[in-house]
Amino acid sequence: EVQLVESGGGLVKPGGSLRLSCAASGFTFSSYSMNWVRQAPGKGLEWVSSISTTSRYIYYADSVKGRFTISRDNAKNSLYLQMASLRVDDTAVYYCVSQGQGWGWGQGTLVTVSS
Amino acid sequence: DVQMTQSPSSLSASVGDRVTITCQASQDIKNYLNWYQQKPGKAPKLLIYDVSNLETGVPSRFTGSASGTDFTLTISSLQSEDFATYYCQQYDILPLTFGGGTEVEI
Repeated sequence: EVQLVESGGGLVKPGGSLRLSCAASGFTFSSYSMNWVRQAPGKGLEWVSSISTTSRYIYYADSVKGRFTISRDNAKNSLYLQMASLRVDDTAVYYCVSQGQGWGWGQGTLVTVSS
Repeated sequence: DVQMTQSPSSLSASVGDRVTITCQASQDIKNYLNWYQQKPGKAPKLLIYDVSNLETGVPSRFTGSASGTDFTLTISSLQSEDFATYYCQQYDILPLTFGGGTEVEI
């Protein structure tokens, strides 16, 4: 069974940085593309970033390009999202999402950007 | 980007009702369409993948179908535990895009 556990969320001031992590288990992590999807309070779902199995292909939403960096460590079964120059409108629950033989979602981690 | 236009944005229904939610894609997405259910404070739960395939453990009252770029989620007989928000998602082309959601209320 796919299990994804995000961590690293919290309260940060505008302009600050934060690093999210996602620990994966229950599947062959290195065979799955991975994504970050976020959901602002009371809003819908927004794709943030994707990374291919070997990290060769990486994509970002225009809203985070140049500020966020996605990465993965297949040896550690882990996905990361380094977030910099955070803005108030980055406030959201961030979900780690696996994409391969099926789809899996973590429980999410809340990032609040506020002064 | 592929736009997913979901309707209605909300609906009121009663237990036992048949409910239909639609998503229209702005271009051909083949069969790369998922449906999710989300309850407050929880992560989205996959109901249907590849237009019409029921995820393991999901009740058979949920069905999905397609006609061209129009996709439909049907709940044949609404149960109390089905009151939630539903989203469609295309994954044919990055960026992944989602419909705006349909809130199913009592």
